[in-house]
Amino acid sequence: AQSVTQPDIHITVSEGASLELRCNYSYGATPYLFWYVQSPGQGLQLLLKYFSGDTLVQGIKGFEAEFKRSQSSFNLRKPSVHWSDAAEYFCAVVDNDYKLSFGAGTTVTVRA
Amino acid sequence: ETGVTQTPRHLVMGMTNKKSLKCEQHLGHNAMYWYKQSAKKPLELMFVYNFKEQTENNSVPSRFSPECPNSSHLFLHLHTLQPEDSALYLCASSPEISGNTIYFGEGSWLTVV
Repeated sequence: AQSVTQPDIHITVSEGASLELRCNYSYGATPYLFWYVQSPGQGLQLLLKYFSGDTLVQGIKGFEAEFKRSQSSFNLRKPSVHWSDAAEYFCAVVDNDYKLSFGAGTTVTVRA
Repeated sequence: ETGVTQTPRHLVMGMTNKKSLKCEQHLGHNAMYWYKQSAKKPLELMFVYNFKEQTENNSVPSRFSPECPNSSHLFLHLHTLQPEDSALYLCASSPEISGNTIYFGEGSWLTVV
């Protein structure tokens, strides 16, 4: 069965500092990988996705993620966070089937 | 604005009530989904519809009854719910069900009292 692990439940970062959120998955073949963001009281917004090709993927809001097959990882990064980046971030994986499996999420707090 | 609209955004209902959540997508997608998001738990897939046909029921209790009259609309009918059913219910859609990007609505917050 497909599984997604986000090791960090909560991360606090200073405004202007860099951010990296970790995501690991378990799947034999190359999965489809996604990062979503959820602001308080809102639904999930797609930040970026990886299907194939270049392993460094650019997304919206200045985010990027890198697929590393050898590490089964798809970590999300942003060079300089803004206060508006405070939210919950979900990594998700789609396998051969259409099922989208989500990680438990990482809550990001941004301090001034 | 994701193109997936959910109403109501907030709903409080008693355990003996019957209510419905509505979802509409304006993206021309053929697949629609209901997810449940509870506090401190990963998102749970509840139902999947493809071209109006239900293709997945992820062991959801019968007190949740989905309806998909066409590819653009999806309902979740609720009856005799329990307090533990209180959660954020997210509707989503995708062009097809195979490996496509899924777009979410803003969710309906349900509180069962």
